[in-house]
Amino acid sequence: DAGVIQSPRHEVTEMGQEVTLRCKPISGHDYLFWYRQTMMRGLELLIYFNNNVPIDDSGMPEDRFSAKMPNASFSTLKIQPSEPRDSAVYFCASSLIRGKEQYFGPGTRLTVT
Amino acid sequence: GENVEQHPSTLSVQEGDSAVIKCTYSDSASNYFPWYKQELGKGPQLIIDIRSNVGEKKDQRIAVTLNKTAKHFSLHITETQPEDSAVYFCAATFGNEKLTFGTGTRLTIIP
Repeated sequence: DAGVIQSPRHEVTEMGQEVTLRCKPISGHDYLFWYRQTMMRGLELLIYFNNNVPIDDSGMPEDRFSAKMPNASFSTLKIQPSEPRDSAVYFCASSLIRGKEQYFGPGTRLTVT
Repeated sequence: GENVEQHPSTLSVQEGDSAVIKCTYSDSASNYFPWYKQELGKGPQLIIDIRSNVGEKKDQRIAVTLNKTAKHFSLHITETQPEDSAVYFCAATFGNEKLTFGTGTRLTIIP
């Protein structure tokens, strides 16, 4: 298995632009998680899905952030408009079993100038 | 909400010595405790985990212990090697589906 796949690996954009991050979970995994990692706040859970349905989005910082999972093999995290404080590494993770092992992708390093 | 505290934030040990990282959690209902290793430029990698019905688990040079009464768990790495240098994160389940992560420990193995 290729593991969790994320794209792009690096994204540099200007403030105000729309950013879309993509994730392909491990095949057969029913849970998908989006995290943000910064030096100041560590690893934060933004939102997670079960069977393509958003379960908990309480970690989404504000309305500029949105996430979708149109099918079992694809999810997007969108930021519109982006701001410099959104600069971080964004990880996607997937899990087969409720509340158990999560497997992380390589992350997308986002820089907003 | 769930809170996970991790200590120390940095740790340096001589190659061949042991390293211990400790975490405490606040939610007594937590029942799953994984440890992740993150190397520079990569995503966190699951290295070992323990469930609440077990007090200790070992996998080669890595072991994890759990004290449910005190609500703390620890990672032990023996015979450390240069490739063990990384940032290590503990985590605990919250609400049965979510993980809350500790703040990380930067481990440096001195050759």
